[in-house]
Amino acid sequence: QVQLVQSGAEVKKPGASVKVSCKASGYTFNNYGITWVRQAPGQGLEWMGWISTYDGNTDYAQKLQGRVTMTTDTSTTTAYMELRSLRSDDTAVYYCSRDPGPYFDSWGQGTLVTVSS
Amino acid sequence: EIVLTQSPATLSLSPGERATLSCRASQSVSNHLAWYQQKFGQAPRLLIYDVSNRATGIPARFSGSGSGTGFTLTISSLEPGDFAVYYCQQGATFGQGTKVEIK
Repeated sequence: QVQLVQSGAEVKKPGASVKVSCKASGYTFNNYGITWVRQAPGQGLEWMGWISTYDGNTDYAQKLQGRVTMTTDTSTTTAYMELRSLRSDDTAVYYCSRDPGPYFDSWGQGTLVTVSS
Repeated sequence: EIVLTQSPATLSLSPGERATLSCRASQSVSNHLAWYQQKFGQAPRLLIYDVSNRATGIPARFSGSGSGTGFTLTISSLEPGDFAVYYCQQGATFGQGTKVEIK
């Protein structure tokens, strides 16, 4: 069955970087994109960006441009999301999801990133 | 940029009742409108894609309809596990969510 398993919770100081991993299994990795979505405490869902697992093309949310980088490692069927220059309002649960385009049919369990001094 | 507005913000209903959730787009969108269910502490789950197609394993009591700028998610008869928050999505935009709570 399709599974996306994410890395564990992180606590970071303002200005630091975080890199979240998303290990995919149960399907042909290169056939589906990966979309990242985050959810601040008590808030709704925010689309962060998408990466093609086929050729590495990316599309990032404008508000995160310059701070976010999404990558994949096809040899380990793992996707990564790195967010730099962290601020307190980056505190959220970060989700990866499989993207058959343009909806998200399987989700990771989420990774809580807390930004606090 | 498309804005998706969901209404109502909260829907208070009893098990067995019918739930009707609305998602309105700020401009006409393609038929790539999806709905997700999110229970507390869990990841979202895809319910409906392309306006009216149920995702794998989704019961028939969930249905989607609409076109242009107006879309609806209907739950024909609420079961205890259906009380959750529901989001619509089109492209890079999510609605703000509708909470379906027990009356």
